Amino acid sequence: AQRVTQPEKLLSVFKGAPVELKCNYSYSGSPELFWYVQYSRQRLQLLLRHISRESIKGFTADLNKGETSFHLKKPFAQEEDSAMYYCALSGGSFQKLVFGTGTRLLVSP
Amino acid sequence: DVKVTQSSRYLVKRTGEKVFLECVQDMDHENMFWYRQDPGLGLRLIYFSYDVKMKEKGDIPEGYSVSREKKERFSLILESASTNQTSMYLCATTGAANEKLFFGSGTQLSVL
Repeated sequence: AQRVTQPEKLLSVFKGAPVELKCNYSYSGSPELFWYVQYSRQRLQLLLRHISRESIKGFTADLNKGETSFHLKKPFAQEEDSAMYYCALSGGSFQKLVFGTGTRLLVSP
Repeated sequence: DVKVTQSSRYLVKRTGEKVFLECVQDMDHENMFWYRQDPGLGLRLIYFSYDVKMKEKGDIPEGYSVSREKKERFSLILESASTNQTSMYLCATTGAANEKLFFGSGTQLSVL
């Protein structure tokens, strides 16, 4: 069965501090992993996916199959990064995404 | 850009009522999904459809049904609404497996 764990409900940091949002997964096959973000009063949208290996808005995430993790990182947080972040996993050939419970990131000035 | 439209932003219904939530997408995508979003529980998949008249149960289908009569429209039906179905409902679509999901803006349903 597919499972995604985000252990932190809330992560509060100061502007300019490094950020790491944790995501661990459970899946027996080869997973596709994603980070989605929801800014205040906006719809949920894709932030990044591991297969593209690109950096979006300064965020990166590396898939660690040994630790079954896909942590989201940014070296210097900005106030506009404050949002709800969801890690998601897709297994198999069909796009049935399983989401984690989400982490709210609050960046204070 | 893909447009996913959910018919209502806010909806208030009474216990026992039959409730229809509508979702329309304009990109000719085969795959459509209904999630509910609850604080502390994240997004949970209710039903999905990968073609017209096709439907598959997600992780929490109990108390819900769906209809996909046309490619662009995917409806979520609460046969007899209950208070534990008070939630934010999100519709999403994607054109191919493992491509990104495009979400609607959500319907906040309150069942009194």
